Parts: sequence; structure tokens; C-alpha cells
Amino acid sequence: AQSVSQHNHHVILSEAASLELGCNYSYGGTVNLFWYVQYPGQHLQLLLKYFSGDPLVKGIKGFEAEFIKSKFSFNLRKPSVQWSDTAEYFCAVKGNTGGFKTIFGAGTRLFVKA
Amino acid sequence: DTEVTQTPKHLVMGMTNKKSLKCEQHMGHRAMYWYKQKAKKPPELMFVYSYEKLSINESVPSRFSPECPNSSLLNLHLHALQPEDSALYLCASSQGGGAPYNEQFFGPGTRLTVL
Repeated sequence: AQSVSQHNHHVILSEAASLELGCNYSYGGTVNLFWYVQYPGQHLQLLLKYFSGDPLVKGIKGFEAEFIKSKFSFNLRKPSVQWSDTAEYFCAVKGNTGGFKTIFGAGTRLFVKA
Repeated sequence: DTEVTQTPKHLVMGMTNKKSLKCEQHMGHRAMYWYKQKAKKPPELMFVYSYEKLSINESVPSRFSPECPNSSLLNLHLHALQPEDSALYLCASSQGGGAPYNEQFFGPGTRLTVL
């Protein structure tokens, strides 16, 4: 069965600090990977996605993620966070077979201190 | 228009009430989804419609009844809910065909409270 594990449930950083949020998945086939973000009071929106090609994926707002197939990982990174990055971040996995089902990780709440 | 709209934003209902949640998108997407999200938890898939046909039902209790009248609209009919059904109900859509790399576009949700 598919599963997604996010290692950090709560992260507190100061502005300009670097960010790395861990995501590991379990799935026995080809996967498509997503990071979604939920800013306070706003709806879930896509940060970035990977489905093939270059394993280093760049998304909106300076975020990037690296797919490491051998480690079943898709960690999210940002070199320098801003206060406006305070949000909840969800890693999600969709198998290449099995249609529409997307499995979300438990989420990581990031708080950036100004 | 890259928006998914949901109405109402908030809903309070008694356990004997019947109510409906509505979702609309005009992006030409042919897959639409209902998720349930409890506080501090990830979204949990409830239903998926593909080309207006129910594609996935994640063993959701029958007190939740989805309906897809056309490719732009998705409803969730609620009847005889329990207090534990209180949650944020999210609607999402994605391009049709089941292409796995298609991301979902989410609405703002309906916050449901069952008394």
C-alpha cells in the first residue's frame, strides 16, 4: 500500500535560514510526487511536482525538491526562508497506476520568525 | 479561471438535518474530488468522479452522498451526520484521463460543524 512519511511535524526557523523538509514514500511502482502548501486561512495549492526527467524540480516562491529514487525520498528545500513562508506543507504521492488516488503525508507546520 | 469555488464557507447542522455542499470549477477539468480534513491532519480522500462517473469511493458511510450533475459541478449531500463528521470538506479538480502527474486544484473548503 502507498504511504507517505513526513519527518518533521513542526519546524521553527528565523528569517533567512535554510529549510529542508523531509518526505519519504512507500510505493511499489513508478510514482508522481507533489508538495502542496496551505498558508494560514488559504486553500491548498501546488508548490511543485515531479513525474519524470530531471530529479531536481523547481517550484514557485524559490522552493525546490529533489527526487532520490534509491532513498524513496522527495525532500523540499529553500535556501532562505521568509516570514511569508509560514504555512503547512504537505508531501503527496500518486502512483503511476491506480488512477486518481493521491496519498498525503501528515504535514509539516513551518513557522518563520521575523 | 483557475479557481475552484465551494459553498457555503461554513455550515452548522443538527444530526437530523439534510444539507448539501457545492463545488464548481470552470477549468475544463474532468476529474473532481471530495476530501475530508480534520484539524492538524492531512486531507483524506472520500470520492473521485471522472467524466461525471463515480470512480473512487473510499468506503465512505452512506450518510455522505456525492453527486456530479455535470463536468463543472460536484455536490456532497449530507444526511444524519454525526458530531465526529465535523471537519473541513475540500473539493478539488484535475485534468481528466487519470494522468497521474496532473496536480489537483483545491477549493477553500466548507467548514462543517455537526451538533
